Parts: sequence; C-alpha cells; structure tokens
Amino acid sequence: ELKVEQNPLFLSMQEGKNYTIYCNYSTTSDRLYWYRQDPGKSLESLFVLLSNGAVKQEGRLMASLDTKARLSTLHITAAVHDLSATYFCALNRDDKIIFGKGTRLHILP
Amino acid sequence: DGGITQSPKYLFRKEGQNVTLSCEQNLNHDAMYWYRQDPGQGLRLIYYSQIVNDFQKGDIAEGYSVSREKKESFPLTVTSAQKNPTAFYLCASSNRAGPSYEQYFGPGTRLTVT
Repeated sequence: ELKVEQNPLFLSMQEGKNYTIYCNYSTTSDRLYWYRQDPGKSLESLFVLLSNGAVKQEGRLMASLDTKARLSTLHITAAVHDLSATYFCALNRDDKIIFGKGTRLHILP
Repeated sequence: DGGITQSPKYLFRKEGQNVTLSCEQNLNHDAMYWYRQDPGQGLRLIYYSQIVNDFQKGDIAEGYSVSREKKESFPLTVTSAQKNPTAFYLCASSNRAGPSYEQYFGPGTRLTVT
C-alpha cells in the first residue's frame, strides 16, 4: 500500500528565511506532484516530477525528487507572506493519485 | 476557457436528504475523480472514472454514488447513508494519454448537512 508522509505538518516561519518541506513515500512511483491550496480554495498544481534527480523551480519554490530514497523536497527560498498556504505532495498509484496530509505554511511578516 | 466547473459553491441540506454535486469539464480529459476534504485534512478519494460508463470505488465510497454517462460530466450523489457528509468536495480530471497524468481541480463545493 502506498503511503505518503509529509513533514512538518505545520510550519510557521519568518519572511526572508529558507525552509524545506519533506515528502516521503513507501513504494515506488513514477510521478510525484506538488500542489498548493489557499484557505477555502481548490488545489493549484505547482510541479510534476517524473524522474529521479528531477528538479523544478518556480519563483521562490524549488522541488526535487530522489526516487532511490523515496523522497521529494519542496524548498522555499527567502519566504514571503504570499507563500502562506497548505502544500500537498501526491503520488500516483495505478490510476489514482494518493495525497499526503499537507503542510500548512504560515509566513510571518 | 478550458477548465472544470463545480456547482453549487455552497450547498445546505437537511439530514436524510440525498444531494447531487455537479462536476463538468471541457478539457477533453478521460479520467475524472471525486475527493472529500475535511478541515485541516488531506484529500480522500471517493470515486473515480477512467472512461465513460465506467467508474471505480475509491477509499471512502460508502454512502456515495456516481455516474459517468458523458465524458464531460461526473456528478456525485451524497446519499442519506453517508454518516458524516459535511465536508468540502473537490472534483478533478486528468489526461491519461499524457506523460504526467496531472490532475486539474475544480473550485469545490462546500456541503453542510444539518
């Protein structure tokens, strides 16, 4: 059974700081996704990582994938308040996508 | 514009009533999905459909039913058998022909049952 674990589940950080969210998973998967969700809103796709060593960057967010370690990271550089949201990682299993519980990120001005 | 629409945005029902949530997509995607999200929680899969006239149960299908008569539409019925139906419901679709199977989400329906 595929399990997806994110940590931390809650993160409060100061603007301008760097931090990393971790996503561990239990069985092999060939696709890993990162999504963002603002309070009361739907999910917005951030990154799709398809292969070992894949790295993608968009603004202050960078996602990477290590399939051997079954680990993906979402790194936040010089955080700004606008990045406050809940971030989910997810992986596909057969024809479904399994989500982690999410990391609620609160960036203090 | 291409996308996924869900209606209504907010829905209020009395306990014991069935209610149907709408999900429509014009992305020409084959696969569609229904998720439930409870406050502070992740997403749990209710039902999914990979092709018209076919669908499969997800992890929490009890008390729910779906149909897939058209490629564009995947309505979800929350029946009176669902013990705790109050939640945020999200519909998604994906293009299984592409390499990423990335899911695109609708805006969601917030259901409150009293």
